[in-house]
Amino acid sequence: QKEVEQDPGPLSVPEGAIVSLNCTYSNSAFQYFMWYRQYSRKGPELLMYTYSSGNKEDGRFTAQVDKSSKYISLFIRDSQPSDSATYLCAMSAYVNTGFQKLVFGTGTRLLVSP
Amino acid sequence: DAMVIQNPRYQVTQFGKPVTLSCSQTLNHNVMYWYQQKSSQAPKLLFHYYDKDFNNEADTPDNFQSRRPNTSFCFLDIRSPGLGDAAMYLCATSGLRLGGGAYEQYFGPGTRLTVT
Repeated sequence: QKEVEQDPGPLSVPEGAIVSLNCTYSNSAFQYFMWYRQYSRKGPELLMYTYSSGNKEDGRFTAQVDKSSKYISLFIRDSQPSDSATYLCAMSAYVNTGFQKLVFGTGTRLLVSP
Repeated sequence: DAMVIQNPRYQVTQFGKPVTLSCSQTLNHNVMYWYQQKSSQAPKLLFHYYDKDFNNEADTPDNFQSRRPNTSFCFLDIRSPGLGDAAMYLCATSGLRLGGGAYEQYFGPGTRLTVT
């Protein structure tokens, strides 16, 4: 069993739709949860970060962490064609000085059509 | 703009022919990482440097080596590439602390390696 599971998609939605992206994980020690967005031919960039449980909102994006279910979600409201990208969840159990080992999901490819 | 730069963006090498991928950063971050990302798979950490201290992941093949001559540059050497080493290789740095103690990782655009 992989430590982090993520549906690879693709997920196709019309512009304006609400998008829900999810990851499950098996390591109960994970406490740092991130979502990275990766456009084609670019490196991943940090989109959302949550420490421990709870919700975090930033504009059209909401990240949720449910540690009891080992389940994290990213919601995108009013999706735009520019949101078309691959979304990778990443999580970590610990932080050393300057170093943090991230365990990534495979990424979900999102396509938002005009 | 401060950034992580990887060269070349695309690299073709022959089976068994050594290849070197390079990464440079203008962020002045202490930590640099190399990840391997195969098609439709999650990025997998190969190793990282904290300054000049090298840290290998336990499952990184011996075929993969790395050098960091200074803060700005880091190299990935693949001594004898096999067909299974074809992948995207991502370089990243970290240095900015987020709330709760995590570090943001900044990624380069990657080098796509093809082995013929």
